[in-house]
Amino acid sequence: AQTVTQSQPEMSVQEAETVTLSCTYDTSESDYYLFWYKQPPSRQMILVIRQEAYKQQNATENRFSVNFQKAAKSFSLKISDSQLGDAAMYFCAQETSGSRLTFGEGTQLTVNP
Amino acid sequence: DTGVSQNPRHKITKRGQNVTFRCDPISEHNRLYWYRQTLGQGPEFLTYFQNEAQLEKSRLLSDRFSAERPKGSFSTLEIQRTEQGDSAMYLCASSYPTGTGRTEAFFGQGTRLTVV
Repeated sequence: AQTVTQSQPEMSVQEAETVTLSCTYDTSESDYYLFWYKQPPSRQMILVIRQEAYKQQNATENRFSVNFQKAAKSFSLKISDSQLGDAAMYFCAQETSGSRLTFGEGTQLTVNP
Repeated sequence: DTGVSQNPRHKITKRGQNVTFRCDPISEHNRLYWYRQTLGQGPEFLTYFQNEAQLEKSRLLSDRFSAERPKGSFSTLEIQRTEQGDSAMYLCASSYPTGTGRTEAFFGQGTRLTVV
């Protein structure tokens, strides 16, 4: 069975500073995808960033980047220059067979002005 | 087509009643997924379709739950004889597999079910 663990239920960051959200996963597959999704209050879940397991280079999307450590099965998200609009629940997810996603428990991010 | 659409957005029902939710995926997406999300938790997979074929069902999907996707377009999720434990957000997502077999899933805004 696939499992995804987010050990930080809540995180906070000052506006314009950097924050890192942690995620670990467990899988027996050698080829898989990892994702970070953002879910603002009462709004739909949107994709923040994705990482293909076969790629060694860490994915980057503007202010968002990941630290993918395949051997350690770790997949953290770094948000630079945090903005008020980044406040949301963040979910780490792994794509399992059949393309369905296994999600972690989520990390609630607060951005303080 | 602006994204995945789910209706209704909110549903309050009495215990024991049947409810049905609808999901309209992004038009060119042939994969459609249903997830359930309880408060403060991550979404949990329920079932998934490729075109009209239901390819996988989670053990979470009891006999009271049924999902359909006639003609491979919209999908419905029905819950019969609702129980208070069914109260949750029901999320629909769709995707289109690329040549590598993987693509991101786009989510709808969800249907929040409250069973009283």
